[in-house]
Amino acid sequence: GQQVMQIPQYQHVQEGEDFTTYCNSSTTLSNIQWYKQRPGGHPVFLIQLVKSGEVKKQKRLTFQFGEAKKNSSLHITATQTTDVGTYFCAGPHNNAGNMLTFGGGTRLMVKP
Amino acid sequence: GAGVSQSPSNKVTEKGKDVELRCDPISGHTALYWYRQSLGQGLEFLIYFQGNSAPDKSGLPSDRFSAERTGGSVSTLTIQRTQQEDSAVYLCASSLFGTGTYEQYFGPGTRLTVT
Repeated sequence: GQQVMQIPQYQHVQEGEDFTTYCNSSTTLSNIQWYKQRPGGHPVFLIQLVKSGEVKKQKRLTFQFGEAKKNSSLHITATQTTDVGTYFCAGPHNNAGNMLTFGGGTRLMVKP
Repeated sequence: GAGVSQSPSNKVTEKGKDVELRCDPISGHTALYWYRQSLGQGLEFLIYFQGNSAPDKSGLPSDRFSAERTGGSVSTLTIQRTQQEDSAVYLCASSLFGTGTYEQYFGPGTRLTVT
């Protein structure tokens, strides 16, 4: 079945350092979504990428969708303590419809 | 407007008891999802409702788990004869439905502890 994997599982960074999480799907995706879950909170939608090779930015966050639409990345420039949380990618389940298959998440910890 | 709400926020129950968890989706969202999240883990899909269609129950871990959605709105997840391994946060999400893939709006979750 479809698998969505994320690496790394955990990442400790010093405040001000950059951070990247990678998402890989076993199948081609029509789109990919990213969510952030703060400690003790619930996942909150960040962005959706649809086009091959698409790059989108939200302030210090840069999201990229691979040319083959099987992988994606989230890069945070100059991390801040407010970036702490778990970042999940998600692709359409069996590449169809509303259901999502979530990656295992990357937990980011930022040392001030 | 109001987001997804869930109740109770916390539930402690004894092993073997039944529990009901409630989800109120965003008004107008016809798609509703239940997930389970164990401590420090990812999101485990449980069940998906879309309008009046038969729900996708492929993620339910055992026949002790069931869910209903009445009137296309409120949903209840029921766990019968709870076990300690059922302890987790149960998250509900809702979304619009259409030809694309829509963002999911999550509720705050119900933290279930089975003693």
